[in-house]
Amino acid sequence: DTGVSQDPRHKITKRGQNVTFRCDPISEHNRLYWYRQTLGQGPEFLTYFQNEAQLEKSRLLSDRFSAERPKGSFSTLEIQRTEQGDSAMYLCASSSRRPVLQETQYFGPGTRLLVL
Amino acid sequence: DAKTTQPTSMDCAEGRAANLPCNHSTISGNEYVYWYRQIHSQGPQYIIHGLKNNETNEMASLIITEDRKSSTLILPHATLRDTAVYYCIVGTPSNTGKLIFGQGTTLQVKP
Repeated sequence: DTGVSQDPRHKITKRGQNVTFRCDPISEHNRLYWYRQTLGQGPEFLTYFQNEAQLEKSRLLSDRFSAERPKGSFSTLEIQRTEQGDSAMYLCASSSRRPVLQETQYFGPGTRLLVL
Repeated sequence: DAKTTQPTSMDCAEGRAANLPCNHSTISGNEYVYWYRQIHSQGPQYIIHGLKNNETNEMASLIITEDRKSSTLILPHATLRDTAVYYCIVGTPSNTGKLIFGQGTTLQVKP
């Protein structure tokens, strides 16, 4: 399977704990995106990487959130001191080098986080 | 905020064409219209996109009005597996390519 993969698929944690999610994009895709989706809502943009550079962060991404893409391949999203409001589906997407407005994003299956 | 307006829900009979409308009256000249869908508990899936001409691929057709203020996604022969939330998205003019999703249209295909 050469699609976008995410790990873990499900995570249950207690409030105050730290969690880390991993995303493996489609090979050689240079753009990688993180989105968050709460129940009944469409996905919301969190952050964007082009290769290893993090070029945009949403104001939704508080200082408890950090994302990295150290070698321009896989990416991690860490949430520190989790809160119940962080419960959501975290989606990763990747896209290729085509002109931005013509590119299509390929999404992974998501990581569903539940903070108790 | 999303720059599109879609009906909250629609029904379609299996085997019939599903026509999903989208209004994007504030679209600018260099913005594309994208359609994605999300089947329950899965990540969104790209369907089709276009700038001003009508487009067709193996999944669907996209009809964009001449003034570009609205569009229609057509699934020619809907199946039960097409039951999903369909999102109409207008591409941002920024360099990031981020997608701004609205709440989409929940399409229920019924036997």
